[in-house]
Amino acid sequence: GAVVSQHPSRVICKSGTSVKIECRSLDFQATTMFWYRQFPKQSLMLMATSNEGSKATYEQGVEKDKFLINHASLTLSTLTVTSAHPEDSSFYICSARALSGGDTDTQYFGPGTRLTVL
Amino acid sequence: GQNIDQPTEMTATEGAIVQINCTYQTSGFNGLFWYQQHAGEAPTFLSYNVLDGLEEKGRFSSFLSRSKGYSYLLLKELQMKDSASYLCAVMDSNYQLIWGAGTKLIIKP
Repeated sequence: GAVVSQHPSRVICKSGTSVKIECRSLDFQATTMFWYRQFPKQSLMLMATSNEGSKATYEQGVEKDKFLINHASLTLSTLTVTSAHPEDSSFYICSARALSGGDTDTQYFGPGTRLTVL
Repeated sequence: GQNIDQPTEMTATEGAIVQINCTYQTSGFNGLFWYQQHAGEAPTFLSYNVLDGLEEKGRFSSFLSRSKGYSYLLLKELQMKDSASYLCAVMDSNYQLIWGAGTKLIIKP
């Protein structure tokens, strides 16, 4: 089946630094990638939708200058948390939607990246 | 390797009961999640099981057997709005989520 990876799996950083999280579709091309934030035992909160080669669409309340998204290719999207603060500590999950073939509505989820800001 | 299996698609009738199974093989276990996802929307949290047994929450119940690597989501009194994809995900020993491919549930009148 389709595999989505994230790197790093966990990161600890100091307040004020920037952190980049990568999301890759390993065996398929993804027209669209989604970035979510998850709080313990809660629903995934959609942060933004990124389409290859175009600007990301951010959900209301998500600061686009703080959470920079780059969808440079059909297999890679990156989320950069700029000037991270402790309140940004969370579990970030990406998902990817296939380009073509099969069920193009299916999202394949990554394993998540746990960010801790000290 | 790590693996989560759940049926690709199920069909049920409005008012009936349906059970969606999920089997897993993971390196370690730190809980199993069920999410509901309607087309075009973010997954909604349904349940979290970390101990064996049945947890009931309204029309939805979730069961876990860690020894068997098995869980199911039970939906009672099905409503048309329950038509959605249901995702099973296990958190492994590294606190990473391993996702099933999702079960598309179709409810017919």
